[in-house]
Amino acid sequence: DAGVIQSPRHEVTEMGQEVTLRCKPISGHDYLFWYRQTMMRGLELLIYFNNNVPIDDSGMPEDRFSAKMPNASFSTLKIQPSEPRDSAVYFCASSEPRGAGGDNEQFFGPGTRLTVL
Amino acid sequence: AQTVTQSQPEMSVQEAETVTLSCTYDTSENNYYLFWYKQPPSRQMILVIRQEAYKQQNATENRFSVNFQKAAKSFSLKISDSQLGDTAMYFCAFMKNFGNEKLTFGTGTRLTIIP
Repeated sequence: DAGVIQSPRHEVTEMGQEVTLRCKPISGHDYLFWYRQTMMRGLELLIYFNNNVPIDDSGMPEDRFSAKMPNASFSTLKIQPSEPRDSAVYFCASSEPRGAGGDNEQFFGPGTRLTVL
Repeated sequence: AQTVTQSQPEMSVQEAETVTLSCTYDTSENNYYLFWYKQPPSRQMILVIRQEAYKQQNATENRFSVNFQKAAKSFSLKISDSQLGDTAMYFCAFMKNFGNEKLTFGTGTRLTIIP
């Protein structure tokens, strides 16, 4: 398997623009997580899905952020409008169904480095 | 809410030596998992080792082992025979219940292995 795939790897945009980050989880994984990493706040969960349904979105900073998972193989994280304080590395991770015999490991994608000017 | 504390922002050690990274956590949960993740300069997050709270035996993975003290809420990582490739940020993380929940991360320890 190719692992968790994220695109783009790098994104530079100007304040006020819409940004869409994309994630393809590992096939067969039914949990998908979006994390954000900044120097100030470290790694923090934004939202996670189970079977394409959002389970916990308490980490989503504000209404400018939205996430969707239209099917089992694709998720997006959208920021509209973007602000300089949104600059961070955004990670997507996926894990196996509960009871599948896995070890609860979350497999992380390579991350998207977002810079908002 | 759970919190994870890593009190060592940076550490360095000579190649082939042993190093221990500290982690403490706070939770009211009885069932949970603890993890150590490695983040090299490539920024890829890589699982190093995991520990189930209900298991008394400390987890080991080759040169990596943990010292899990449930009563003290302590979860340290020991790296034996350190190698240059171990240079990375190391994050301690907590997951409550029986899995498939969010990870709560510590602030990380930057480890440098000196040739």
